[in-house]
Amino acid sequence: DIQMTQSPSSLSASVGDRVTITCRASQGIRNDLGWYQQKPGKAPKRLIYAASSLQSGVPSRFSGSGSGTEFTLTISSLQPEDFATYYCLQHNSYPHTFGQGTKVEIK
Amino acid sequence: EVQLVESGGGLVRPGGSLRLSCATSGFTFNNAWMSWVRQAPGKGLEWVGRIKSKADGGTTDYASFVKGRFIISTDDSKNTLFLQMNSLKSEDTAVYSCTTMSRGSSDQWGQGTLVTVSS
Repeated sequence: DIQMTQSPSSLSASVGDRVTITCRASQGIRNDLGWYQQKPGKAPKRLIYAASSLQSGVPSRFSGSGSGTEFTLTISSLQPEDFATYYCLQHNSYPHTFGQGTKVEIK
Repeated sequence: EVQLVESGGGLVRPGGSLRLSCATSGFTFNNAWMSWVRQAPGKGLEWVGRIKSKADGGTTDYASFVKGRFIISTDDSKNTLFLQMNSLKSEDTAVYSCTTMSRGSSDQWGQGTLVTVSS
């Protein structure tokens, strides 16, 4: 199975901050990666697909980059509604695997 | 609008079985690839498995922890996805959610159904 190592596991940030979350794959996965946001008690929402493509309806402050084994999700200017947990998901090979999540909290 | 509504969760004893359903609407189910994802209380997301549309072969893939215990199937006449879970263990306790798939990965999610495995 491909292991996805996500970092950090949590971070504290202020509104307006630039936030970066990283996922590393245990082997190359091309750009077969998505990023998801989950708020407490809610279903996850896909933000990014194909590593860098913005899902329809998602604000442009979210962006993704990377290919192969290293990927990043960047929030350019953190908004109050962005405090949530973020997950990466590789779908290059089965079984698909998630990163362990990054909780973004208010500083 | 895509709607996914899971049902069938509940309390089951270790070693027992449970069948989850996911009723769908708002898209062409018989052309869709679908997946199941779970989340243990207070933990992260865990991919369970996926079924291709019948037009694409209807094949399934599963997470390693499934080890032949779970079976994903569909009833295209009822636009419904199923997850048959056998030989359940305490570590299978989680909220199980169905998802549509697009561009290779999970897209739309249901709200999930809670499965509790306990004696």
